[in-house]
Amino acid sequence: EAGVAQSPRYKIIEKRQSVAFWCNPISGHATLYWYQQILGQGPKLLIQFQNNGVVDDSQLPKDRFSAERLKGVDSTLKIQPAKLEDSAVYLCASSLVGDLYGYTFGSGTRLTVV
Amino acid sequence: GENVEQHPSTLSVQEGDSAVIKCTYSDSASNYFPWYKQELGKRPQLIIDIRSNVGEKKDQRIAVTLNKTAKHFSLHITETQPEDSAVYFCAAGNSGGSNYKLTFGKGTLLTVNP
Repeated sequence: EAGVAQSPRYKIIEKRQSVAFWCNPISGHATLYWYQQILGQGPKLLIQFQNNGVVDDSQLPKDRFSAERLKGVDSTLKIQPAKLEDSAVYLCASSLVGDLYGYTFGSGTRLTVV
Repeated sequence: GENVEQHPSTLSVQEGDSAVIKCTYSDSASNYFPWYKQELGKRPQLIIDIRSNVGEKKDQRIAVTLNKTAKHFSLHITETQPEDSAVYFCAAGNSGGSNYKLTFGKGTLLTVNP
């Protein structure tokens, strides 16, 4: 079974620039999650999709962050404009609807904002 | 929403000793409690999990206990080895419910000294 695919693995940008991350979940996993993991902390949920609909985006800084999952499969997370405090690893995870037992993480994208 | 507290933030043990990490959660609807191991630069990997209808689960050198009344659960690693050194995260979620996402603790850096 292929895992959760993410790209790029690393990204360095200057503050106020924009950046986008891509995630392709495990085949058949209708639920997709984006997490932000700041160094030394646990993953924090930014947004949860079920198919192409948003289930929870209560912790997404909507003034600068956006995410979409237009066809209910892969997803893009965008930051515009980036701030220094956005430096973190952005992890994507997926699961079956309502089922946390098969929760699987991708390798993440490490973002450095300078 | 769910809030997960994890202690200690760092733990150093001698090889062969036991290590215990404790977590508390706030949402009584949570019914699934996984533990993840994250090595430097890698994705979180599930190492063991427990569901709310079980009080204890073991898998070789690792075990997890759950006290639903007190809303706390713990990870126990026996006969620790240097390769157990990593950051460990606990999480809680409501699998099968409408709010099926994982909320993570802040992590515990475990160092096993040879």
